[in-house]
Amino acid sequence: QKEVEQNSGPLSVPEGAIASLNCTYSDRGSQSFFWYRQYSGKSPELIMFIYSNGDKEDGRFTAQLNKASQYVSLLIRDSQPSDSATYLCAVKLKGDTGRRALTFGSGTRLQVQP
Amino acid sequence: GAGVSQTPSNKVTEKGKYVELRCDPISGHTALYWYRQSLGQGPEFLIYFQGTGAADDSGLPNDRFFAVRPEGSVSTLKIQRTERGDSAVYLCASSLTPLAGGPGAKNIQYFGAGTRLSVL
Repeated sequence: QKEVEQNSGPLSVPEGAIASLNCTYSDRGSQSFFWYRQYSGKSPELIMFIYSNGDKEDGRFTAQLNKASQYVSLLIRDSQPSDSATYLCAVKLKGDTGRRALTFGSGTRLQVQP
Repeated sequence: GAGVSQTPSNKVTEKGKYVELRCDPISGHTALYWYRQSLGQGPEFLIYFQGTGAADDSGLPNDRFFAVRPEGSVSTLKIQRTERGDSAVYLCASSLTPLAGGPGAKNIQYFGAGTRLSVL
């Protein structure tokens, strides 16, 4: 089992719809969770980070964290074609107490159809 | 600088050659990370620096890989006797402070555009 898992997609949604991206992680007790967006051939850019259970909203983006179920999700409201990209879930795994790096999922490719 | 800068953007080399990849982090960022990203995968951790020292090099795949950060700013990732399997995008990231597991925007990692290494 991978430490951070994402459905590779592609996830295809029509313009204006809500896109829901999910991520599960294996290390119970992990505390820091990040969503990065990566356009083809470009570097990852941070969308949101979340530390506490529940929802965190920033504009059209909402991150949801459920530590008991060990999943984190990203909702994109009013999806736009410009949102088409790969979305990477990254976790600071609790077990890596000495490590200061992130463990990434393989990413979910989102396609927003005009 | 305004962002994390990596050079070169592309590097083509022959199997067995030596390569150096450079990373210039955001000014003032003490933590620097190297990741490697293969096609269709997420970034994979290689090494982390806090200041001048390599605080965690557990992600380096073997002893052909080495990285330095002599003055606590610019870092160089060095790969000896390159192999075709080393072909990937090498990403550098920096953060103001190390990622310690707790809340805080200071430990957010910002990525450079990467160096695409192709070993023929």
